[in-house]
Formats: sequence, C-alpha cells, structure tokens
Amino acid sequence: QVTLRESGPALVKPTQTLTLTCTFSGFSLSTSGMCVSWIRQPPGKALEWLALIDWDDDKYYSTSLKTRLTISKDTSKNQVVLTMTNMDPVDTATYYCARIPSEVERWFDYWGQGTLVTVSS
Amino acid sequence: AIQLTQSPSSLSASVGDRVTITCRASQGISSALAWYQQKPGKAPKLLIYDASSLESGVPSRFSGSGSGTDFTLTISSLQPEDFATYYCQQFNSYPHRLTFGGGTKVEIK
Repeated sequence: QVTLRESGPALVKPTQTLTLTCTFSGFSLSTSGMCVSWIRQPPGKALEWLALIDWDDDKYYSTSLKTRLTISKDTSKNQVVLTMTNMDPVDTATYYCARIPSEVERWFDYWGQGTLVTVSS
Repeated sequence: AIQLTQSPSSLSASVGDRVTITCRASQGISSALAWYQQKPGKAPKLLIYDASSLESGVPSRFSGSGSGTDFTLTISSLQPEDFATYYCQQFNSYPHRLTFGGGTKVEIK
C-alpha cells in the first residue's frame, strides 16, 4: 500500500526558509524509474509543479522557482525534503508530495494529503 | 515551457448530464497527458493517463481522448460524487517543467 505524508511548519515568516518533509511507504526511491515530486496549490488556485527527484538522485526544478528550491532524499528513511528560501506571502499554499512510478508511467499516481503553509509576519 | 489551457474554467451541470472538458497544449505533446479530479480539501486523484487510459478503479463513465495539442475529458453521465475540480497535466517535457492546466470546476446546476 503506497502512502505519502507531508510534514512541516504551518506558519512561516516572510524571508524565512521553509523545510518540508515527505515521508512515504509502500515503495522505494531506489527502484529504477521511481520519482517523488513536490506540487503546491495556493488557496482557490491551480496546481503548480515545483520540483522532482528521481531514483538516481537527479533533481529538476520549476524554472521560475529554481533559485529558491532544493530537493533531496534520504532513501534509508523513505523521505524526500524540499527547502524553499526567502518565503513570501504569495508562497502561502497547500504543498503536496506525489509519486511518479516509472520512466514510462510519468504521471502522479499517489499523492499525500497536503500540508497548508501560511506565510505571514 | 508548455502551457495548458483548460476550458471552460467552470460549468454547471445536472446529475445525468454528459460533461466535456477540454485542455489545449501550447505545443504538441503527443499523448503525454493526465487528468486529475480534486474535491475540496483533498489531494488530486488520478483519473486518466496517456490521454485516454483509465486508471484502475476509476468508473468507466470517465473517458479521455486527444493527442497533439487538443484533449478532452468526458463524463458520460454526471453523478453526485463527480462535482469537483478537474485538472489536466502534461508530462511530455518530463522530467523538466511539468505543467498543469488552470482547472475546471464542475458545479451542480
């Protein structure tokens, strides 16, 4: 049974760095082709892809946010971590992690329940 | 980056109606498109992948079609549990610059 769960602070101040953790089970991020991605959704708005890390530790980022994002993994802990620097109120959103199961199945088949992050002083 | 434009952005329909949502890509993406359903306060759920393949467990009233730049999600007979927001997503540029459409909210008439 595949599950993903996001964790992190519910409230951050402007200019602070956000660190979110995705803890997953039911699959291994060392399996060839497997990827985990972060996606966010501001209140009442559309989904926005942020970053992806694959089984080979290759990392890919949204062009518009690339300078602020870092994605990493700890395969032994079944965790993927996203850091976002210089947080701003416009970064207020629900942040999701999701799985891409293979290089052929390149869609998000399982999602975490999401974690709402509010940026406010 | 490839942009996805969904239309309409919202629609009102009745139970039993046939509903069609379109997704247009700014450049050809072959069949590298997925559709998701999202209910309020919940994570998106995969419905369709590879433009027309039904995810396991998804009711057969959902179907997808299209290739290249124009895609369609159809609900053949709208059910009460189908009132939600639907998103398309392209993975042609995988693993770079994955993008979602702006969403289509299906509301009760």
